[in-house]
Amino acid sequence: DTAVSQTPKYLVTQMGNDKSIKCEQNLGHDTMYWYKQDSKKFLKIMFSYNNKELIINETVPNRFSPKSPDKAHLNLHINSLELGDSAVYFCASSQVGTPLHFGNGTRLTVT
Amino acid sequence: QKEVEQNSGPLSVPEGAIASLNCTYSDRVSQSFFWYRQYSGKSPELIMSIYSNGDKEDGRFTAQLNKASQYVSLLIRDSQPSDSATYLCAVWFPGANNLFFGTGTRLTVIP
Repeated sequence: DTAVSQTPKYLVTQMGNDKSIKCEQNLGHDTMYWYKQDSKKFLKIMFSYNNKELIINETVPNRFSPKSPDKAHLNLHINSLELGDSAVYFCASSQVGTPLHFGNGTRLTVT
Repeated sequence: QKEVEQNSGPLSVPEGAIASLNCTYSDRVSQSFFWYRQYSGKSPELIMSIYSNGDKEDGRFTAQLNKASQYVSLLIRDSQPSDSATYLCAVWFPGANNLFFGTGTRLTVIP
């Protein structure tokens, strides 16, 4: 069974479009995360979220918004996509302070 | 400022040698430290976690932590070509309640 699953695996879209990436975890973790990995392989935290608190990296544009229908899901919605949004987006989950478990990533290409 | 710094490499070692990967971090109160391995096109996978000063060994891997120097390292003994990957240092920053990654060190083990 996949612990952290995210869909789609690949997403190709045009500038200006709105898209969503879904993430689900079956580990019972309290906290879920979204990371962005750019072409230089740098993993940058975007959001972390548990049922009490949303922590937003202040450098993330407000075109990006996390949506959590329940504890096991944290979806990422992106408005007005830009070329610079092209990257691999990783969902992850953990209990606070413990190692993160990552999904397989979504490669977003904006043309 | 929350920073995790690694030498980006690339680091090349011959098969059978010891590979040494280094990481420094900016937050003195950090207590949780992790090493992840990432193969090209794959998601990061946890290989070591360390929480106390000193050494922690797991098979061919040894993590070393020195909180006074804000330094954590990973040694890979008897390096194998299959160890060729990018190694990511990650540090939990309690103030930010998030896990921050270094830029990664790309390791190549030459047969």
